[in-house]
Amino acid sequence: GAVVSQHPSWVICKSGTSVKIECRSLDFQATTMFWYRQFPKQSLMLMATSNEGSKATYEQGVEKDKFLINHASLTLSTLTVTSAHPEDSSFYICSAKDPRARTGELFFGEGSRLTVL
Amino acid sequence: QKEVEQDPGPLSVPEGAIVSLNCTYSNSAFQYFMWYRQYSRKGPELLMYTYSSGNKEDGRFTAQVDKSSKYISLFIRDSQPSDSATYLCAMSAGAGNNRKLIWGLGTSLAVNP
Repeated sequence: GAVVSQHPSWVICKSGTSVKIECRSLDFQATTMFWYRQFPKQSLMLMATSNEGSKATYEQGVEKDKFLINHASLTLSTLTVTSAHPEDSSFYICSAKDPRARTGELFFGEGSRLTVL
Repeated sequence: QKEVEQDPGPLSVPEGAIVSLNCTYSNSAFQYFMWYRQYSRKGPELLMYTYSSGNKEDGRFTAQVDKSSKYISLFIRDSQPSDSATYLCAMSAGAGNNRKLIWGLGTSLAVNP
């Protein structure tokens, strides 16, 4: 199946710093990527839809100025958590839609665990 | 009421047991139904994909969709310790790249050797 790579897999940072997470589709071009957040023992929460060459679409309640998303190419989307605080500590997962895949089928990265001290 | 309901468990079974995982939903427009498996600290991976109603079998896994009851199931036969994971149901209505998946909470499964 399609491969999505996410980096870094884990990061620890100090409060107030910014952290960038990368999501790459390795063997296909993804016009659309999705960013999720997952708290322990909870389901995936969609944060935003990232569209190549245009602004991301954020879900209700997600601060677009805090979670900056850039989808500059067909294989790369980045999520930057700006001025991170301890409450931003979470598991962030990206997914991408392979144009060759079936409707609704998504391929996920391995996730990035962010810990803000 | 949530659009998708899934009992979070945890569910603990002995090795070799048949496991039944379920989700109910309220939106009759859903047509695409998926089961994802997520191991601890990893991203989800697609396990089963079903369009509309019916059954689908893949090895030890069987997915069932009953649209009249708005109920989907995943059965795991001859369960193995390696099946221990969280199983998430997901569904969507219609087609299109940006069509959002609606997720269940996930059911945590432990298969004990």
